[in-house]
Amino acid sequence: AQSVAQPEDQVNVAEGNPLTVKCTYSVSGNPYLFWYVQYPNRGLQFLLKYITGDNLVKGSYGFEAEFNKSQTSFHLKKPSALVSDSALYFCAVRDGWSTDKLIFGTGTRLQVFP
Amino acid sequence: DAGITQSPRHKVTETGTPVTLRCHQTENHRYMYWYRQDPGHGLRLIHYSYGVKDTDKGEVSDGYSVSRSKTEDFLLTLESATSSQTSVYFCAISESGTGATGELFFGEGSRLTVL
Repeated sequence: AQSVAQPEDQVNVAEGNPLTVKCTYSVSGNPYLFWYVQYPNRGLQFLLKYITGDNLVKGSYGFEAEFNKSQTSFHLKKPSALVSDSALYFCAVRDGWSTDKLIFGTGTRLQVFP
Repeated sequence: DAGITQSPRHKVTETGTPVTLRCHQTENHRYMYWYRQDPGHGLRLIHYSYGVKDTDKGEVSDGYSVSRSKTEDFLLTLESATSSQTSVYFCAISESGTGATGELFFGEGSRLTVL
């Protein structure tokens, strides 16, 4: 079965420092991977996706993610964190090669301190 | 923002009562989904729809039913609510379905408390 794991419940980083939110995946076949962000009392918003091609994917709000097939990882990164980046981040994978469903990780809370 | 409206946004009910949550979209997207969000579990798919009257089960469908009689509306019904169904419910839509590399657009959520 397809799955994603987010090993950290919370990540703390100082404003201006680089941030990384980790995600590992387990799929059969080629993975379709996504990152979403949830601000307080809001629905999730799409950040970026990896389907094929370059291993470094750029997305919204200056975020990027690096696909690493050998390590089965898809870590979310940003060179310089902002306080406004504080939110809940979800990694997700498509559930099978022919379905229209996403399987989400348990989420990582990012706290950026001024 | 995508035109997705969930109603009600907040509801408190008692065990054993029926509850219906409504998702209304103005985007004319084909795919609609219901997820629940719980601490430690992330988002889990309850049911989804790939067209009018076409629905399928997700990973946590027990105790829930859905209906889609029009493109714009997707209803989630709890026939007899239980305390384990206390959660935040999110509706999502997709134009092409994630299988075609489409992305999901989410509503604001409906917080349900079952006493």
